[in-house]
Amino acid sequence: AQTVTQSQPEMSVQEAETVTLSCTYDTSESDYYLFWYKQPPSRQMILVIRQEAYKQQNATENRFSVNFQKAAKSFSLKISDSQLGDAAMYFCAYRGETSYDKVIFGPGTSLSVIP
Amino acid sequence: EAQVTQNPRYLITVTGKKLTVTCSQNMNHEYMSWYRQDPGLGLRQIYYSMNVEVTDKGDVPEGYKVSRKEKRNFPLILESPSPNQTSLYFCASSLWTGQPQHFGDGTRLSIL
Repeated sequence: AQTVTQSQPEMSVQEAETVTLSCTYDTSESDYYLFWYKQPPSRQMILVIRQEAYKQQNATENRFSVNFQKAAKSFSLKISDSQLGDAAMYFCAYRGETSYDKVIFGPGTSLSVIP
Repeated sequence: EAQVTQNPRYLITVTGKKLTVTCSQNMNHEYMSWYRQDPGLGLRQIYYSMNVEVTDKGDVPEGYKVSRKEKRNFPLILESPSPNQTSLYFCASSLWTGQPQHFGDGTRLSIL
């Protein structure tokens, strides 16, 4: 069964600095999708970034980028120029090609931004 | 505006009293799903639907029911709620199967 691990329950970053959130996953599939979701204190879930495993190029969305290491089964999220509004819970998620009808979430990392 | 509308946002109820959490989307998405969020566990899928009249169990379906009679609506039903169903619940919809894209605002459910 696929699993998603986020080994950092909490992290903090100074405003304007860069922070990297870690995510590893376990799968035997070769094709799959990976996601990062953001949940601010308002508790709204927001899709931040999406990566297809067959694409070697790392996905980027403005200040958010990923470092996708397929062989290592690692999918970290880098937030550049951190802003106070980036303070949130971040969830890594996986969707396999075989189990295409469901997504598996990690336990989350709580990010604090220090002014 | 693209929206997933979930109601109620908060509900406190007692064990055994049937309740329904409604979910409606205005994007004509075929894929809809329900999740529960518990501390340290992330989100876990309860049920999902790939189209009208097509529903299937997720990872934690026990104690829950769903229906998909119309494309836009996907209600979650707790026939006989128990305290272990106290949680934060999210409905989501998406263009892509299995990839939740738009979420509702969540329902904080407390069962005493």
